[in-house]
Amino acid sequence: QVQLQESGPGLVKPSETLSLTCTVSGYSISSGYFWGWIRQPPGKGLEWIGSIYHSGSIYYNPSLKSRVTMSVDTSMNQFSLKLSSVTAADTAFYYCARITYATNWFDPWGQGTLVTVSS
Amino acid sequence: QTVVTQEPSFSVSPGGTVTLTCGLTSGSVSTTYYPSWYQQTPGQAPRTLIYSTNTRSSGVPDRFSGSILGNKAALTITGAQADDESDYYCVLYMTPGIWVFGGGTKVTVL
Repeated sequence: QVQLQESGPGLVKPSETLSLTCTVSGYSISSGYFWGWIRQPPGKGLEWIGSIYHSGSIYYNPSLKSRVTMSVDTSMNQFSLKLSSVTAADTAFYYCARITYATNWFDPWGQGTLVTVSS
Repeated sequence: QTVVTQEPSFSVSPGGTVTLTCGLTSGSVSTTYYPSWYQQTPGQAPRTLIYSTNTRSSGVPDRFSGSILGNKAALTITGAQADDESDYYCVLYMTPGIWVFGGGTKVTVL
């Protein structure tokens, strides 16, 4: 059974960089699939942030592209998200998910982690 | 910039049928957008219901079905139950490699 778990600081100061890691169990990242990040401000809708393939192909949401960096660590079976120059608008639940590229759907999802941007 | 549209809210009676839609501010949704649907209850991660327009994810009851209706993707709940009261999100694949979520529909069963 494939499981994903987000981890990282729950509080980030404005203008700093948000860093999160998604640890995958039950499946080797290097075996395939895209891996993605999605966020959800409290009480609002979902927003796709970006997706990465184990070989390094990356796609970012155009609205966040200038601030987002994603990477994969196949040795740790993890992938990561960095979002720079954060503001209060980046306060959200951050989810990681596996993406089946051929049919373009997100499953499974991690349980999500709340990141608050505040001084 | 193309926006994915969903009805903000819907109400359905227990046992009733409701159809949620997923459209575009510019253009029509087709199977090439690989519409998928997710159910989310408060405090929980989204759960996959439908992918690739009309394929139910493992374990999803057959009262949930997906289709293309006119120029939109659609999610139909037939025989709504109390625990179907949730937020429902669609997502469309915009080539190349870009996914866009709709704003979500809040479904109330009463």
